[in-house]
Parts: sequence; structure tokens; C-alpha cells
Amino acid sequence: EDKVVQSPLSLVVHEGDTVTLNCSYEVTNFRSLLWYKQEKKAPTFLFMLTSSGIEKKSGRLSSILDKKELFSILNITATQTGDSAVYLCAVEAAGAGSYQLTFGKGTKLSVIP
Amino acid sequence: DAGITQSPRHKVTETGTPVTLRCHQTENHRYMYWYRQDPGHGLRLIHYSYGVKDTDKGEVSDGYSVSRSKTEDFLLTLESATSSQTSVYFCAIKAGDDEQFFGPGTRLTVL
Repeated sequence: EDKVVQSPLSLVVHEGDTVTLNCSYEVTNFRSLLWYKQEKKAPTFLFMLTSSGIEKKSGRLSSILDKKELFSILNITATQTGDSAVYLCAVEAAGAGSYQLTFGKGTKLSVIP
Repeated sequence: DAGITQSPRHKVTETGTPVTLRCHQTENHRYMYWYRQDPGHGLRLIHYSYGVKDTDKGEVSDGYSVSRSKTEDFLLTLESATSSQTSVYFCAIKAGDDEQFFGPGTRLTVL
């Protein structure tokens, strides 16, 4: 059974802090790892990682995948109150005829002024 | 946006009644998915489709059925709703090798 574990489950930081969110996984037929942000509505896409060791960046957010150790991290620098959200990690596996995502339970980030 | 809508957006129903949720896409993508999201469980896959009339079960498919008679529509049916099916339901689509995009969600309450 595919499994995705995120840590910590919740985190409270002050504006300007840097945070690191963790995601470890066990999956058969790994294809990619994805990060989403969810703020009281539908998840919105942040990153898709397929290759080990290659960092993806978007503004203050960055992510990297380690396929040997089966984990990924999401970094957010200079946090802002608008970064408050639940961050979801998902692993995509190739199955019969399709691709399926298995999600972790998420990390709830609260950024206080 | 990926051009994905869900209807209804909110529904309150009674135990034992049938319920159908609709997911509609305007992008002609092959892959479509239904998830439910519950506190403490995260997002879990119910059913998915990889083409017209091609569907398969996900992790939590008991009590649900799906149909896809047209590329653009993917229907989720609860034949006889139970209180344990109270949840937020998300539809998602996947474009080729790209990520899955999520619809706005349907909040279903079964009394």
C-alpha cells in the first residue's frame, strides 16, 4: 500500500521566519512528487518533482526531491501571513491505465505577524 | 484556470437518498478523479477515469459508483447516502504528463 507521511502536522512561526516542511513516502511505480497549497478551498498546485537532486523554485518557495532516501522538503523563506495554509504532499504512481495520487495528511502552517 | 466545475457546490440530504455529483471540464483531458477530504484523513481517492467508459476504483470506493459517458463529464453517485459520506468532495483532472488540477469542491452533508 502506498504511503505518504508529512511532518510536522502543524507549525506556528512569526513573519520573516524560514520554514522547512517534510514529506517521506513509500510507493510502487513512483512517477512524481507534488506539493499543493490549500487555503479553505481547493488545493492549488505548487511544484511537481520527478528527478532527484534538482531544486524547483518559485519566489520564496523551493522544493527538492531525494529519490534514494524517499523524501522531499518544501522550504519557505521570509514567511508572510499569506503563506498560512495547509501544505499537501502527494506522490504520483503509474497504475493500470492511469496515474494516481496518494496524499499525506498535510502540514498546517500558521504565520503570525 | 483548468476549466473544471462541480455541481452542486453544497448539498444537504437525508440518509438513504441517492445523490449524484457532477464534474465538468472544458479542456478535453483524458484523466478525471474523484476525492473526498475529511479531517484527520486528508484527501483520499474514490474513483478515477482514464477515458470514456473507462473507470476504476480508488482507495475508498465502497458505497460510490461513477460514470463517464462523455469526455467532459464525470459523475459520482452515492446510491444510498449514509452519514459517514458527509464530506467535501473534490474532482480533479490531469492533462497528459502535467499535474492534477482540482475543482472548487462540493460540500455534502448527510443527515
